[in-house]
Amino acid sequence: GAVVSQHPSRVICKSGTSVKIECRSLDFQATTMFWYRQFPKQSLMLMATSNEGSKATYEQGVEKDKFLINHASLTLSTLTVTSAHPEDSSFYICSAQPGQGETQYFGPGTRLLVL
Amino acid sequence: KQEVTQIPAALSVPEGENLVLNCSFTDSAIYNLQWFRQDPGKGLTSLLLIQSSQREQTSGRLNASLDKSSGRSTLYIAASQPGDSATYLCAVIREYGNKLVFGAGTILRVKS
Repeated sequence: GAVVSQHPSRVICKSGTSVKIECRSLDFQATTMFWYRQFPKQSLMLMATSNEGSKATYEQGVEKDKFLINHASLTLSTLTVTSAHPEDSSFYICSAQPGQGETQYFGPGTRLLVL
Repeated sequence: KQEVTQIPAALSVPEGENLVLNCSFTDSAIYNLQWFRQDPGKGLTSLLLIQSSQREQTSGRLNASLDKSSGRSTLYIAASQPGDSATYLCAVIREYGNKLVFGAGTILRVKS
């Protein structure tokens, strides 16, 4: 089956630093990748949609300059949390979609803790 | 704006019991509906996907139904097992769209 990986699985950083999270589709090419954020006991909230080779589309209320997304290839998307603050601590999950209208395959998530 | 609601928020049942999880959505113009399972601190596993033209899907002990006109879906789990303990999420994609809109989930605990 389709597998999506995320790296790192867990990261702890100091306030003010930047953190990069990678999302890879291992056995398929993904025209579209999605980034979600999940706070404790809450559901997933879509942050942005990225298509390979083009700028990401951000959801309302998500700061594009704070959450930089790069979709450099059909198998890799990165999310960089710039100048992280404690309120950015969350569970970040990506998903990858092989084609328009197809199912999304989810990564295992990355737990970010900003001290 | 599409809103997805799941009831109950939490459920605790003894092993072997059959159970039903409920999902409702406000905009019936959906492309499909999916049920996911999420274990603590983990990503999502897709359980069942129902296209808007379908009424139900079955996989093993799981059966999901969809009533698009009334904006409702149910996930039926037969003969529940402790290994079924997880959070179950319902999500919809609107017609001509890509974006999944999730409900808050139902936390299920099956006691042995």
